[in-house]
Amino acid sequence: ELKVEQNPLFLSMQEGKNYTIYCNYSTTSDRLYWYRQDPGKSLESLFVLLSNGAVKQEGRLMASLDTKARLSTLHITAAVHDLSATYFCAVDERFGNEKLTFGTGTRLTIIP
Amino acid sequence: DVKVTQSSRYLVKRTGEKVFLECVQDMDHENMFWYRQDPGLGLRLIYFSYDVKMKEKGDIPEGYSVSREKKERFSLILESASTNQTSMYLCATRGHSSGGAKNIQYFGAGTRLSVL
Repeated sequence: ELKVEQNPLFLSMQEGKNYTIYCNYSTTSDRLYWYRQDPGKSLESLFVLLSNGAVKQEGRLMASLDTKARLSTLHITAAVHDLSATYFCAVDERFGNEKLTFGTGTRLTIIP
Repeated sequence: DVKVTQSSRYLVKRTGEKVFLECVQDMDHENMFWYRQDPGLGLRLIYFSYDVKMKEKGDIPEGYSVSREKKERFSLILESASTNQTSMYLCATRGHSSGGAKNIQYFGAGTRLSVL
């Protein structure tokens, strides 16, 4: 059974600082997704990582995938308040069915 | 733009009522999913469907059933609502993995259900 672990679960950081969210998964996969959820809202797709070594960047967020280590990271650079949200990673099990397995989410709060 | 529409944003129901949550998508996606989201528990899959009239149990199917009579519509049914089914319910859709490399899963806005 595929397991996806995120850490930390909660992260409070000051504006301007850098930090990284980690997503570990337990079985072979080469397709990983990051989502963002604002309070009371639904999930929006942020990044799709489709191969080992894939790196995607948008604004102050950068995601990477290491399939050998079964690890993805979401790096936040010089955080700003509007990045406050919950971030989920989700893994597509290779040769599995079409469902994603989600991590428990990281609630990020940026403090002015 | 992908559109995944859930019929209600907020619902209040009484214990024992039969509850229908509807989800409609306009992307011709094969796969549709129902999740519930509770604080501290993340997203938990209730049921999913990979084709019309096909369904598979997710991680927490007890107390729920689903219906998929048409490709674009996936309904979640609470046969007899209970207070522990108070939650945020999210519908999602996804194409087939052969249809495109990215194969993103798209979510509806969610239905916040309160069972009193």
